Amino acid sequence: DSGVTQTPKHLITATGQRVTLRCSPRSGDLSVYWYQQSLDQGLQFLIQYYNGEERAKGNILERFSAQQFPDLHSELNLSSLELGDSALYFCASSVDRAPTYPTDTQYFGPGTRLTVL
Amino acid sequence: AQSVAQPEDQVNVAEGNPLTVKCTYSVSGNPYLFWYVQYPNRGLQFLLKYITGDNLVKGSYGFEAEFNKSQTSFHLKKPSALVSDSALYFCAVRAQANTGTASKLTFGTGTRLQVTL
Repeated sequence: DSGVTQTPKHLITATGQRVTLRCSPRSGDLSVYWYQQSLDQGLQFLIQYYNGEERAKGNILERFSAQQFPDLHSELNLSSLELGDSALYFCASSVDRAPTYPTDTQYFGPGTRLTVL
Repeated sequence: AQSVAQPEDQVNVAEGNPLTVKCTYSVSGNPYLFWYVQYPNRGLQFLLKYITGDNLVKGSYGFEAEFNKSQTSFHLKKPSALVSDSALYFCAVRAQANTGTASKLTFGTGTRLQVTL
């Protein structure tokens, strides 16, 4: 158990809908990362939040957004869902305090499997 | 841009034999290298990382990895494979903090390890 929790484990929804995925980082970790794992794209970095602020963006679609709250949990919002958004979405957390950043390990949650029908 | 190559989709090995899972990388500056394992319907579990220093890194469950700067490789090894090691293995690279891409882990496509009796 990595200490990173994600809810829900599974989500089935229809095209055009909006969903919210939730992540709670390990105690003491300031950074939350979101990744998407799909068969055709592999594991792709979406976005990083550090202590409530967006730090880096990867291959995140405009239909997707995220935020990190004062208690450091994070939510990934996916809207206008398409069939191609079906994937496993992982959250990872890391301490990421200087001077060890970026050598700190990212610890992954169990993921949320999103199925868009 | 940083990248990771895992040239083998699958590696088959008999239990008790040594195993090697190959990984090569490309990154600006010094690399930070990671290995993760993914069991079916589970998240990614951290195995080990190379930051600096000794080229041979020891990790969890008896795994180790050898960093070779001249060959830009970071192969995962284990002296004696177990059936329970059967899983999907991912190599990942992270850049230095001042390169602008330090936040994300860039993953390889994964190598499925199959250990048989």
